[in-house]
Amino acid sequence: GAGVSQSPSNKVTEKGKDVELRCDPISGHTALYWYRQSLGQGLEFLIYFQGNSAPDKSGLPSDRFSAERTGGSVSTLTIQRTQQEDSAVYLCASSLVGDRGRGEQYFGPGTRLTVT
Amino acid sequence: KNQVEQSPQSLIILEGKNCTLQCNYTVSPFSNLRWYKQDTGRGPVSLTIMTFSENTKSNGRYTATLDADTKQSSLHITASQLSDSASYICVVKESNYQLIWGAGTKLIIKP
Repeated sequence: GAGVSQSPSNKVTEKGKDVELRCDPISGHTALYWYRQSLGQGLEFLIYFQGNSAPDKSGLPSDRFSAERTGGSVSTLTIQRTQQEDSAVYLCASSLVGDRGRGEQYFGPGTRLTVT
Repeated sequence: KNQVEQSPQSLIILEGKNCTLQCNYTVSPFSNLRWYKQDTGRGPVSLTIMTFSENTKSNGRYTATLDADTKQSSLHITASQLSDSASYICVVKESNYQLIWGAGTKLIIKP
C-alpha cells in the first residue's frame, strides 16, 4: 500500500505568514509523529499522536506551533507568524502501534520550509 | 543529559570498499537502538533495531553491533555500492519512549 505522504514538498513563505503542512499516514497506523530537521542536525521531536489519547506536545518549540489529527488519520502542522529560524525540513512518521512498544516508524519524504 | 554522538561526520570511500560508522550514546534508561538510512530529500528508512541483549544484527550488507556496557554501536557496510550514498542516523530510545536522534554520518561512495 501507499507510504506516508506529505504536502507540499516545498514551501517558501515570507516571515510573519502562517503555514500549514499536511501529513497522510499509512492507513491503519494509530501513531503519528512530527519531527523537524535543520540542516546538518539530527531530527528534533515535535509532537506525537496515539489513537484517541491526548497528544504529546512536549517537543513543540513555541506556542506558534500547533498540530491536529482529524479522525485519527490526516494530520496538519500549523506554524503561525513564521520566523527565519523555522526554516527546516518537517518530517512526519507513522507507526502501527505507539513507540512505547517496538513500533517501527515509517517516514514521509518531508516538507522543506523556507522562511524568507 | 541524553545524547547520541556519531562519527565521522562525513566519509568518502570508493565503491566496493567496506566502512564502519560509529555511534556513542549516553541515553539512560536504554530501551533500544536503531540505525536509519536517509537518502537526500527523503525520509529516514529503518535498517536495524537492537535491544539490550542483542550484540549483532545483519540486514544484507549492513551489520550493526551493540555494546551496551560501553554504550557504543557501529554500522558496518560491506562491499559498498553507489546506492549506499546517504546519511546514516543512529537513534536511541529511552525506556519511557523518547527517541534521541544523532546528527548522522554523511557517506559518499565514489565510483
